[in-house]
Amino acid sequence: GENVEQHPSTLSVQEGDSAVIKCTYSDSASNYFPWYKQELGKGPQLIIDIRSNVGEKKDQRIAVTLNKTAKHFSLHITETQPEDSAVYFCAASGGSARQLTFGSGTQLTVLP
Amino acid sequence: GAVVSQHPSWVICKSGTSVKIECRSLDFQATTMFWYRQFPKQSLMLMATSNEGSKATYEQGVEKDKFLINHASLTLSTLTVTSAHPEDSSFYICSASSGDTQYFGPGTRLTVL
Repeated sequence: GENVEQHPSTLSVQEGDSAVIKCTYSDSASNYFPWYKQELGKGPQLIIDIRSNVGEKKDQRIAVTLNKTAKHFSLHITETQPEDSAVYFCAASGGSARQLTFGSGTQLTVLP
Repeated sequence: GAVVSQHPSWVICKSGTSVKIECRSLDFQATTMFWYRQFPKQSLMLMATSNEGSKATYEQGVEKDKFLINHASLTLSTLTVTSAHPEDSSFYICSASSGDTQYFGPGTRLTVL
């Protein structure tokens, strides 16, 4: 089955700096890669996703890059703000069941 | 758009009782819904995949007789934790899929005394 590894587990940045979270996946058949933000006590919120036919996608301060050859994808947050502080999960999906395999999560702290 | 609700948001029950959690897709129809369990500071663990009108598919190690899932319509799935015990205390989260994308509910905190 699919295995998704996520690094780092914790990340602290100064407000205004950039944050990068990286994930690798094992199943070359995976073709959909979403990123979720989870605040304490809440459900995950989809923030951006990318499909395997695209190398990069950007939405305002958030971008995701995908390298299919190396089987890794990354989340980039620019101009970080304190409200960006949360746990971020990457995930991978492929196949008819459309199940998501999640990474272990990254606790991002943006220091004011 | 793509809003998923869960009810209740939290529940406390006595050991041995059953608890039902509802998951609704409010503005879209979801052929498939998923149920997850999350322990503190851990990732989401898929419990089961639920397709409308058919039996749920449970992940290995998840007791189907303990975690009853019903997906009677394209907008509603329910998870019933039967004969709950303290070790069932956790954060239960559902998601509803629209194509490849899964939209998550706000979660239900279950505490079994």
